[in-house]
Amino acid sequence: DIQMTQSPSSLSASVGDRVTITCRASQSISNYLNWYHQKPGKAPKLLIYAASTLQSGVPSRFSGSGSGTDFTLTISSLQPEDFATYYCQQSYYNPRTFGQGTKLEIK
Amino acid sequence: EVQLVESGGGLVQPGGSLRLSCAASGFTFRTYNMNWVRQAPGKGLEWLSYISYSGTTIYYADSVKGRFTISRDNAKNSLYLQLHSLRTEDTAVYFCAREESGWYYLAYWGQGTLVTVSS
Repeated sequence: DIQMTQSPSSLSASVGDRVTITCRASQSISNYLNWYHQKPGKAPKLLIYAASTLQSGVPSRFSGSGSGTDFTLTISSLQPEDFATYYCQQSYYNPRTFGQGTKLEIK
Repeated sequence: EVQLVESGGGLVQPGGSLRLSCAASGFTFRTYNMNWVRQAPGKGLEWLSYISYSGTTIYYADSVKGRFTISRDNAKNSLYLQLHSLRTEDTAVYFCAREESGWYYLAYWGQGTLVTVSS
């Protein structure tokens, strides 16, 4: 199975900060990498698919990059509503696998 | 509007069984592949199972293979997950999610249903 490793596991930042989360796959997954965020008690929400394509309705301060095994999610200027847990997921192989999550907290 | 509504969760004893349902509306259910994902309390997301639009292709995570069974009824716009031989570690919120063709991402999710396995 493909292992997805996110770093950091947690992150403290302030409103207006630029933040980057990384995700590494245990083998190449081409561009089949998706990013979600989740707030407590809610379902996950898709932010980016195919490594860099912004889902409709997601603010442009979110961006994704990478291919193969190394990927990044960047939030250019943190807003209060962005404090949540972020997950990457590979959709190249079955079983699909998620990263362990990155909890983004207010500093 | 796409809607996915899970039901069937509850309290069950270890070794017991439960059937979860996911009612789909707002889209042509029979043309979409579907997935189940779960989240244990305070933990991350765990992908569980996939079923193709026709029901002919199915995959499971190793953690549930042989104990859980995914199925669908396209005439009823419904997805199911039959849970058998439940363990305390199966306690989680179970989400159904619609998979988009091409890049296979999960664009739409239900609100989840809680399964608690405890004696």
